[in-house]
Amino acid sequence: GAVVSQHPSRVICKSGTSVKIECRSLDFQATTMFWYRQFPKQSLMLMATSNEGSKATYEQGVEKDKFLINHASLTLSTLTVTSAHPEDSSFYICSARDNTGALYGYTFGSGTRLTVV
Amino acid sequence: TQLLEQSPQFLSIQEGENLTVYCNSSSVFSSLQWYRQEPGEGPVLLVTVVTGGEVKKLKRLTFQFGDARKDSSLHITAAQPGDTGLYLCAGAPSGGSNYKLTFGKGTLLTVNP
Repeated sequence: GAVVSQHPSRVICKSGTSVKIECRSLDFQATTMFWYRQFPKQSLMLMATSNEGSKATYEQGVEKDKFLINHASLTLSTLTVTSAHPEDSSFYICSARDNTGALYGYTFGSGTRLTVV
Repeated sequence: TQLLEQSPQFLSIQEGENLTVYCNSSSVFSSLQWYRQEPGEGPVLLVTVVTGGEVKKLKRLTFQFGDARKDSSLHITAAQPGDTGLYLCAGAPSGGSNYKLTFGKGTLLTVNP
């Protein structure tokens, strides 16, 4: 089946530094990928839609200059948290939509636990 | 904006009991998916329902899609501690080129031995 690899699974960084998270579709192409943020025991909150070869579409309230998204190929999207602060600590999850599948062909990565100290 | 109301938000039951989780919306979805998520992991797809009125079974789990494709339910029979986790419903939009899933708020299920 479709597999999405997300890396790293855990990262601890100092306040003020930047962190890059990668999301790769391993065995399918994904024109569209999605980035979510999740707080403990809560549902997923969509941050942005990553579109291959074009600018990402951000949800209301999400700072595009802080959460930089690059979708340079059909199998890779990256999320860079710039100038991270403790309030950015969270669980970040990506998902990819299989171009060849029906509208319901979504696969999720295993998530990245970001801790900013 | 499409919304999915998921209930209950928290559920703690004893092993062997049955339970039902509901997702309701005023919007029509082309499909609805159910996921289970464990702490520190990404959501794992359990099932996708596409046709109005559709019923799918996965061992002790029964999923139903409403006739109008606006609501869905997940029923677990004889729950086991291994069923513990966060259950999420998510609807895929109907029509257009917007592929964003709409998530319910989740149901945190605890099955006590």
